[in-house]
Amino acid sequence: DIQMTQSPSSVSASVGDRVTITCRASQGISSWLAWYQQKPGKAPKLLIYAASSLQSGVPSRFSGSGSGTDFTLTISSLQPEDFATYYCQQANSFPRALTFGGGTKVEIK
Amino acid sequence: QVTLRESGPALVKPTQTLTLTCTFSGFSLSTSGMCVSWIRQPPGKALEWLALIDWDDDKYYSTSLKTRLTISKDTSKNQVVLTMTNMDPVDTATYYCARIKVGAGLEFDPWGQGTLVTVSS
Repeated sequence: DIQMTQSPSSVSASVGDRVTITCRASQGISSWLAWYQQKPGKAPKLLIYAASSLQSGVPSRFSGSGSGTDFTLTISSLQPEDFATYYCQQANSFPRALTFGGGTKVEIK
Repeated sequence: QVTLRESGPALVKPTQTLTLTCTFSGFSLSTSGMCVSWIRQPPGKALEWLALIDWDDDKYYSTSLKTRLTISKDTSKNQVVLTMTNMDPVDTATYYCARIKVGAGLEFDPWGQGTLVTVSS
């Protein structure tokens, strides 16, 4: 199975900061990558699909980039509602082994 | 509007079989390109994909859990059922179902609210 490694596992940031989260695949996955946001006690919410496409309704301060094995989620100006855990997920193996990264918790500094 | 909702027991005993139902609306699982998946999340841990069933009734399972899982669908009831045998306390988790619509991406969207299953004697 393809392994997804996220870094950092947690980050402390202030409102207005630019935050970057990295996701690395153990083998090339083209652009078959999605990013999710999860708040405590809630289901994950789709932010980005196909590595860089913004899901409808998601604020434009979120952006995704990358292809192959290295991907990035960027929050250009962190807002109070953005404090959450973020997960990447690969779908290159679709419909099998749809693996997630270990998550990155964005905390208030 | 597409919605999914998980249902099932909140508590199961070790060695028992867990049966979870995902009831959805806003799409048909007989439509080409539609899939429903199960994903779980132990408390404080990451997400883990479990199984997927597609519009053609093809079924796919996590490599590590394949021997314990069965996924099925009832198109007329708009339901997908997951069974997991031989439950263990390490299977304690919130279980989610989510849709995949094959298209530009292959992402889970939307998700159900999740159901917490505790495995304890």
